[in-house]
Amino acid sequence: DAGVTQSPTHLIKTRGQHVTLRCSPISGHKSVSWYQQVLGQGPQFIFQYYEKEERGRGNFPDRFSARQFPNYSSELNVNALLLGDSALYLCASSRYSGTGIWEQFFGPGTRLTVL
Amino acid sequence: SQQGEEDPQALSIQEGENATMNCSYKTSINNLQWYRQNSGRGLVHLILIRSNEREKHSGRLRVTLDTSKKSSSLLITASRAADTASYFCATDGVNNDYKLSFGAGTTVTVRA
Repeated sequence: DAGVTQSPTHLIKTRGQHVTLRCSPISGHKSVSWYQQVLGQGPQFIFQYYEKEERGRGNFPDRFSARQFPNYSSELNVNALLLGDSALYLCASSRYSGTGIWEQFFGPGTRLTVL
Repeated sequence: SQQGEEDPQALSIQEGENATMNCSYKTSINNLQWYRQNSGRGLVHLILIRSNEREKHSGRLRVTLDTSKKSSSLLITASRAADTASYFCATDGVNNDYKLSFGAGTTVTVRA
């Protein structure tokens, strides 16, 4: 089975621009989560989508938005980019294995650099 | 803000030695997981321990969990150069079981 795929691998943008990052989950997984990882820190939760509905949102401004499509792939959009948005953006494909466990499988990430 | 805190921040060991890192967290959890990350790439899931478990093994990995102290440890035995990576603990809260909260990680360097 193919793992979680993300595109693009790397991206360079300038302040004020917007960006769209894409994620395709593992086949059969209906949930996708997005995380931001700034250099030297652990990942921070941004969003989770399940069955095309937003299920949770982390402490990020409204400049960050996401959606999930009928095929369960997902896009993360960031508007009005700031230098501080430079980070590795990770997508995780999830399945619920029962008794309170969400198994999350991470993609390779998209490295966003804002100049 | 980060839920977990790993200790130490960095660890350098000789190949064949054991590596131990610790994680502390703040709120009640359902599960605690450990992940590995190579050179700023994606996270690889290593092991999950439930809140009602105290110890778990997987190959050369041993994880312990002490919910009374809100802490966990990861032991890698007989380390190899390929174990060089950053290691993160991640917790999911009792009421937010879909959201993982990560610590800042421990960077492990295994010298040949």
